[in-house]
Amino acid sequence: KQEVTQIPAALSVPEGENLVLNCSFTDSAIYNLQWFRQDPGKGLTSLLLIQSSQREQTSGRLNASLDKSSGRSTLYIAASQPGDSATYLCAVLWMDSSYKLIFGSGTRLLVRP
Amino acid sequence: ETGVTQSPTHLIKTRGQQVTLRCSSQSGHNTVSWYQQALGQGPQFIFQYYREEENGRGNFPPRFSGLQFPNYSSELNVNALELDDSALYLCASSIQGIGNQPQHFGDGTRLSIL
Repeated sequence: KQEVTQIPAALSVPEGENLVLNCSFTDSAIYNLQWFRQDPGKGLTSLLLIQSSQREQTSGRLNASLDKSSGRSTLYIAASQPGDSATYLCAVLWMDSSYKLIFGSGTRLLVRP
Repeated sequence: ETGVTQSPTHLIKTRGQQVTLRCSSQSGHNTVSWYQQALGQGPQFIFQYYREEENGRGNFPPRFSGLQFPNYSSELNVNALELDDSALYLCASSIQGIGNQPQHFGDGTRLSIL
């Protein structure tokens, strides 16, 4: 069974810290992996998308890595700011016999001023 | 460029009723996906439509059905509503399937079942 797990469920850090969010998945035959941000009461904003053939993607202060063999991805946020406070979701796409996009439960991040 | 818009933003129904949720895709996008997000959980994939045909379905019963129209707007219909259907329903659009392009999400419809 294909599953996606995110650890930790919640994280509180002081402003300026570098931090890492973790995502693990079963079944390494993924098509791609995507990181999203969700603000309270809002939809999802795509942050980074990593194809199965890629190792990492970067956008500004964000860097996402992918290690298919170990079934892991990390989202690294440099120099965190209070505006980074949100829930971060990892989603993995498998496309074998059918289309399966599975989300983790998210990490709730609070950056304290 | 117009983003993904969903209507209504909030809705209250009672058990056994039927509901239709609407989504207007981002301009130029021909693929739409629908998700159910329970409180404190990640979204769960309901189904995807590509060029007006269902092109993938998650583990949801047949009382969850959908439509995609020629202008790529979409509807999610749920029959015989149950208490567990209370959730945030999210619509996302993308170009030519979601395999290589990121999805763009609307802000969702909050559905409450009494």
